[in-house]
Amino acid sequence: GEDVEQSLFLSVREGDSSVINCTYTDSSSTYLYWYKQEPGAGLQLLTYIFSNMDMKQDQRLTVLLNKKDKHLSLRIADTQTGDSAIYFCADYSGGYQKVTFGIGTKLQVIP
Amino acid sequence: EPEVTQTPSHQVTQMGQEVILRCVPISNHLYFYWYRQILGQKVEFLVSFYNNEISEKSEIFDDQFSVERPDGSNFTLKIRSTKLEDSAMYFCASSTQNYEQYFGPGTRLTVT
Repeated sequence: GEDVEQSLFLSVREGDSSVINCTYTDSSSTYLYWYKQEPGAGLQLLTYIFSNMDMKQDQRLTVLLNKKDKHLSLRIADTQTGDSAIYFCADYSGGYQKVTFGIGTKLQVIP
Repeated sequence: EPEVTQTPSHQVTQMGQEVILRCVPISNHLYFYWYRQILGQKVEFLVSFYNNEISEKSEIFDDQFSVERPDGSNFTLKIRSTKLEDSAMYFCASSTQNYEQYFGPGTRLTVT
C-alpha cells in the first residue's frame, strides 16, 4: 500500500533555513501536503501542492516536489522559535478519499 | 476563520464501555472524516462520510465503530465496547473537496 516516510527530528538555529524532507510511494498521488501540529493542538494545513507542479512558494514557505523521485520538501526561511512544531508530510491520491500521513518531523528551533 | 471543533478534548473510559466523540465540521463543508493517531504512530484514516453515508472506510473501521450526522451540524464517532488498544488521539476533519481536509484539535481517548 501507499506509504509516506520522513525523518523524525530536525534541529536548527533561529534565523536559519529549515528543510524538512519526505518521500512517498504512491505514484497516483495528486496532492501533497504539509501539516503543522503545535503541542496540544490539532493538525493545521500549512500548504499543499498539486502533483503537476514542482514548486510552490508562500511567504517563508517553499515546497519542492520531485515527482520522478517521489520526494517532497518543505523549506522554512528565517526559522523562528514559533515554528517549533511537528510537521507532517501527507498525500492524497483521489481514488481513495483519505489523506496518508508520514510519522511527522519534530522541528526544534534553538534561539 | 472557521474551524473544526471537537468535544471533549480528553475522554477517559473503562474497557468495554461505549464512547461517542463529537465533532462540528466547518459549516459549508460536505465531506467528513475521522482519523486516529495512536501514541508514537502515524495518523491513520478511519472513515469518510458524504451525503449521509459512509463513502470509504479503512480496515481499522470494523463493526465496533459507527459514524452519524444526527443533525445539520454535528458529526459523531461511536466506539462500542472500547478496548485498551482504542486509546489514541481521534481527529475529525471536513472539506468541501476531498483533497483539502481541515482537521479539528482532536479528542484524546484513554481506555483503562
